Amino acid sequence: AQTVTQSQPEMSVQEAETVTLSCTYDTSENNYYLFWYKQPPSRQMILVIRQEAYKQQNATENRFSVNFQKAAKSFSLKISDSQLGDTAMYFCAFHSTGNQFYFGTGTSLTVIP
Amino acid sequence: ETGVTQTPRHLVMGMTNKKSLKCEQHLGHNAMYWYKQSAKKPLELMFVYSLEERVENNSVPSRFSPECPNSSHLFLHLHTLQPEDSALYLCASSQGPSGALSVHTFGSGTRLTVV
Repeated sequence: AQTVTQSQPEMSVQEAETVTLSCTYDTSENNYYLFWYKQPPSRQMILVIRQEAYKQQNATENRFSVNFQKAAKSFSLKISDSQLGDTAMYFCAFHSTGNQFYFGTGTSLTVIP
Repeated sequence: ETGVTQTPRHLVMGMTNKKSLKCEQHLGHNAMYWYKQSAKKPLELMFVYSLEERVENNSVPSRFSPECPNSSHLFLHLHTLQPEDSALYLCASSQGPSGALSVHTFGSGTRLTVV
């Protein structure tokens, strides 16, 4: 079975600084997809960034980028120039064959003014 | 506007009640999902529907009964729930149930409290 581990339950960062959220996963699959979702207090989960495992280049979306280390099964999220609106729960997720998505337990990020 | 709308936003029900959660999407997606979100636990996938056919059922107790009358609507019927069923229930949709089409768009959830 696939598992997704987020080892940092809570993190904080000063506004305008950079923070990295960690995620590791366990799978025997070779082709899969990885995602970071953000859940603000409004509760709606929003896709932040995604990575296809067959692509070696790390995905980037504006201030958000990932460090995808396939051999190490690591998928960390870097948020640059943190903003107050980045305060939220962040979930790492894994998807391969079939219909299953596997989520981590989340990291609560607080951006401090 | 999220594209995926869930109602009600909050629900308090007794253990003997029957209620339903509703999810609606106007994104033209063909797959819809129910997840249970409990504190400090990973999201639990409950059901997956693709083109109105249930394609995944993750050992969910029979007191939860899904219904997908068309590709835009998904219901979760609840009856004789237990206090441990209290959680945030999230609906999601995607273009397809697997692969690159499976990127989820989520609703804002229904916060369910069973008393």
